[in-house]
Amino acid sequence: DAGVTQSPTHLIKTRGQQVTLRCSPKSGHDTVSWYQQALGQGPQFIFQYYEEEERQRGNFPDRFSGHQFPNYSSELNVNALLLGDSALYLCASSFQGGDSNQPQHFGDGTRLSIL
Amino acid sequence: KNQVEQSPQSLIILEGKNCTLQCNYTVSPFSNLRWYKQDTGRGPVSLTIMTFSENTKSNGRYTATLDADTKQSSLHITASQLSDSASYICVVSDPYSDKLIFGTGTRLQVFP
Repeated sequence: DAGVTQSPTHLIKTRGQQVTLRCSPKSGHDTVSWYQQALGQGPQFIFQYYEEEERQRGNFPDRFSGHQFPNYSSELNVNALLLGDSALYLCASSFQGGDSNQPQHFGDGTRLSIL
Repeated sequence: KNQVEQSPQSLIILEGKNCTLQCNYTVSPFSNLRWYKQDTGRGPVSLTIMTFSENTKSNGRYTATLDADTKQSSLHITASQLSDSASYICVVSDPYSDKLIFGTGTRLQVFP
């Protein structure tokens, strides 16, 4: 039973470029959340997808957008990259119909470096 | 001001020793409080989840406590091992938005 998988593991981009990160949720999970984790900081919530729609959004600009596919996998897109976008991007999955006290399962993230 | 604050920021202990990590939060009410372990370069892994009505929850050598009156939680690690070296993150779930609010973590290093 595969857990949450993210790709790529590492990525290097330059300022102004666009990037797409991918996430496959844990088997049986239907909700995907994305987080940005700067070095030495805790994860910051970007947004959450359920039933192919953005359900909630954190305090991130419109340059950050996402998508969820019918198979529950998800993409995070970031446009017009800034140096400050350098971070570890984490994807977490959960089951919407489950107990709210169940843990979210995290992938190992994509390390994005902006030059 | 962060809604979830952790202390200390970093901690160094010798293998076999015990340690306690602290978490103070202002999120109220909350659905649950979680402790995660995050190894370097990996995603967080859940250690414990407590609802507001629970006082303590154990997972092997990890024991979390919760005092909802003082809005404090602690994570106690018994007989530390080298593999315990990681960041430990306290997370509070907002019941209205269902969002997880993360602390900045405590970086624990266990030396032989």
